[in-house]
Amino acid sequence: DAKTTQPTSMDCAEGRAANLPCNHSTISGNEYVYWYRQIHSQGPQYIIHGLKNNETNEMASLIITEDRKSSTLILPHATLRDTAVYYCIVRPNSGNTPLVFGKGTRLSVIA
Amino acid sequence: GAVVSQHPSWVICKSGTSVKIECRSLDFQATTMFWYRQFPKQSLMLMATSNEGSKATYEQGVEKDKFLINHASLTLSTLTVTSAHPEDSSFYICSASTTGGRHSNQPQHFGDGTRLSIL
Repeated sequence: DAKTTQPTSMDCAEGRAANLPCNHSTISGNEYVYWYRQIHSQGPQYIIHGLKNNETNEMASLIITEDRKSSTLILPHATLRDTAVYYCIVRPNSGNTPLVFGKGTRLSVIA
Repeated sequence: GAVVSQHPSWVICKSGTSVKIECRSLDFQATTMFWYRQFPKQSLMLMATSNEGSKATYEQGVEKDKFLINHASLTLSTLTVTSAHPEDSSFYICSASTTGGRHSNQPQHFGDGTRLSIL
């Protein structure tokens, strides 16, 4: 079972920041927070991951609370192509444990 | 970035036939490959985990004799749906992982999926 809780859906205006929350209150000390997204009829795409520090890359920023029980994915300037289902997943960053997908958040970017 | 190629991207076949789906890691060696299935408007469900040169580990409820997985090399895994029936129609997605190397920062790299329709 997925160990994260996400809102079912969100809307965001094009050009604005999209902030996607995720609760992972039972996260273990060795588990990372991963974000993937799935655009319709494609395979999941990696976005970003982190352990406890905030992370930023060319796609997004990841803000993890100090107690690590929740996090927020930020798409700074959402475009129509960012419309997708976004999955927040916790997993150890070692070994070959598979990613377990929950239901994710369906983000709709609106013109 | 790392590329995982999945083939075919879609297939339509008659009930009772067998269908083989290939998953290749194009620029890295995949020590482990995973197979997922996704029904419409649902999330990805893990079917099995395969390590190169050993038998696959199937998730509960997945019939190993129906979904044959072969991981004969570090760059290729295949999923064969045997005696397919309409209820097997789904979106099948593979992913590959590696330990070490420039692609190891991501736990899994995904193919673009195969849409299987059984008539």
